[in-house]
Amino acid sequence: SQTIHQWPATLVQPVGSPLSLECTVEGTSNPNLYWYRQAAGRGLQLLFYSVGIGQISSEVPQNLSASRPQDRQFILSSKKLLLSDSGFYLCAWSPGQHNEQFFGPGTRLTVL
Amino acid sequence: AQKVTQAQTEISVVEKEDVTLDCVYETRDTTYYLFWYKQPPSGELVFLIRRNSFDEQNEISGRYSWNFQKSTSSFNFTITASQVVDSAVYFCALSEAPTGANSKLTFGKGITLSVRP
Repeated sequence: SQTIHQWPATLVQPVGSPLSLECTVEGTSNPNLYWYRQAAGRGLQLLFYSVGIGQISSEVPQNLSASRPQDRQFILSSKKLLLSDSGFYLCAWSPGQHNEQFFGPGTRLTVL
Repeated sequence: AQKVTQAQTEISVVEKEDVTLDCVYETRDTTYYLFWYKQPPSGELVFLIRRNSFDEQNEISGRYSWNFQKSTSSFNFTITASQVVDSAVYFCALSEAPTGANSKLTFGKGITLSVRP
């Protein structure tokens, strides 16, 4: 069966520091991968999605970036965090031939 | 552009009551998919159901049932005999792409359901 992992689970970082969040999927190949942010107030915002290695699409302009160095690895990064980057970051995958997405446990990021 | 509206923001019921969570969507496509997700306090979104636009049959899974009505662009979710463990935020979502290559989901803002013992 497929599983999706995210780490770290929680992170507290100062403003201006770098960020690297990792997401890996097991038990499937060539998944579509997604990064979402959920700020206080619950709404889910799609940040990036990827349909293959090295293929990244950005949904909103921001100081975050994403990379997919391997088929089942998706990384969210920032060179300098802002206070507004605080939130709950969720990684998701979908099989490709269907549309439902399966979510990881999330990373709660607090920028101070 | 596609849009999902969950007009209810918070619902509180007493255990064993039935509760319906409303979802209204907008899309120009004839082929689309609708979803419901549950987000318990732990934070992880749990996939509950996917329904495509050509299948208007209602679905029942245990205490959960879904009513898809294309005429009113609604995809409502009913929990029968609610339990405390049903307390969570519930999201309705829409995807217009018929294939997975571009299957971006548009989420509603979610409904916080509290089930009191």
